[in-house]
Amino acid sequence: DAGVIQSPRHEVTEMGQEVTLRCKPISGHDYLFWYRQTMMRGLELLIYFNNNVPIDDSGMPEDRFSAKMPNASFSTLKIQPSEPRDSAVYFCASSQTYPGPQYFGPGTRLTVL
Amino acid sequence: QKEVEQDPGPLSVPEGAIVSLNCTYSNSAFQYFMWYRQYSRKGPELLMYTYSSGNKEDGRFTAQVDKSSKYISLFIRDSQPSDSATYLCAMGNAGGTSYGKLTFGQGTILTVHP
Repeated sequence: DAGVIQSPRHEVTEMGQEVTLRCKPISGHDYLFWYRQTMMRGLELLIYFNNNVPIDDSGMPEDRFSAKMPNASFSTLKIQPSEPRDSAVYFCASSQTYPGPQYFGPGTRLTVL
Repeated sequence: QKEVEQDPGPLSVPEGAIVSLNCTYSNSAFQYFMWYRQYSRKGPELLMYTYSSGNKEDGRFTAQVDKSSKYISLFIRDSQPSDSATYLCAMGNAGGTSYGKLTFGQGTILTVHP
């Protein structure tokens, strides 16, 4: 299996611009998670989906953040408008069971200038 | 106080040493435990997953869970330079309002020098 795929791997944008991060989970995994990792706060869960339905978005920091999962093989995390404090590494992870082990993608390193 | 405490290190050991990495936690509802390895500029990679107290071994890695003390450990035998990475503990509970969510430690930076 190819594992969790994320794109882009790096994104540099200016404050106020819209940013869209993409994720393809492992085939057959019904759960998809979006995390953010910073030096200060470590790994934080933003939102997770089950069978394409958002279950818990309590970790989404502000209304500027939104996530969708239109089908079982694709999810997006959008930030609009972006701010410098959004600079972080964003990871997507998927899981076959819940609770259970989660498998992470390579991440998207976002820099907002 | 954080729910999961992990010494960030850094920890530096010579090749061949036994490495001990630890996490303590305060939430007695945590029932399953994981260790992830994260190389620089990569995603976390699952190393070990346990759902009970006791030991679990996989090659050079042994995970140990002591629920009575709220303490988990990861041992690495015959450490290699390729083990140099950040090690993250993660844990979650199977019920309650935080059902299924993983709580991560801050990570311990390990360097194994030749």
